[in-house]
Amino acid sequence: AQKVTQAQTEISVVEKEDVTLDCVYETRDTTYYLFWYKQPPSGELVFLIRRNSFDEQNEISGRYSWNFQKSTSSFNFTITASQVVDSAVYFCALSCFGNEKLTFGTGTRLTIIP
Amino acid sequence: DTEVTQTPKHLVMGMTNKKSLKCEQHMGHRAMYWYKQKAKKPPELMFVYSYEKLSINESVPSRFSPECPNSSLLNLHLHALQPEDSALYLCASSQGQQLSDTQYFGPGTRLTVL
Repeated sequence: AQKVTQAQTEISVVEKEDVTLDCVYETRDTTYYLFWYKQPPSGELVFLIRRNSFDEQNEISGRYSWNFQKSTSSFNFTITASQVVDSAVYFCALSCFGNEKLTFGTGTRLTIIP
Repeated sequence: DTEVTQTPKHLVMGMTNKKSLKCEQHMGHRAMYWYKQKAKKPPELMFVYSYEKLSINESVPSRFSPECPNSSLLNLHLHALQPEDSALYLCASSQGQQLSDTQYFGPGTRLTVL
């Protein structure tokens, strides 16, 4: 069975602070894919990143960075120098090879205080 | 262009009404999805169409009826809904060539059942 845990339900930080969103996953498959999506108040789920289980390289995209560690089954997401536009619900998700289903975590609501 | 469009944005209907939600993508994707999302919860998968054939039905009540007229369009026909069916309905698409391709989501339809 697949499972994704986002233990942080809500986080509030002051603008320009760095913030890390945690994601821990469970699967018995050796081939799997991890995703992060952003859901602003408008409702659309915006794709941020996809990583496969064989690529543990960390990734940086502008102010966003992702730390994938198979040893701890974690795929954490860091926003550097946060901005008000980063306020949203962030979902971590898992998909295993051969399975079309995305397993979502419960989401972390991030509020950036101006 | 990673755009999935959905109409209408908002829909209010009575329990005896018949209505339809529409989803369209022009990315050449061959897999399309319907999700239901209640407030403060992650999206829940309802249906998956792969190459225009229904491949997954997550035991959704028959008052929801999906239809895939062609590879670019996905409809969700609604009939005799209940107030608890009020939710955000999200459509997504993916390439469909690999079963763990990235899913791209539309903006959703906010449905209210009176």
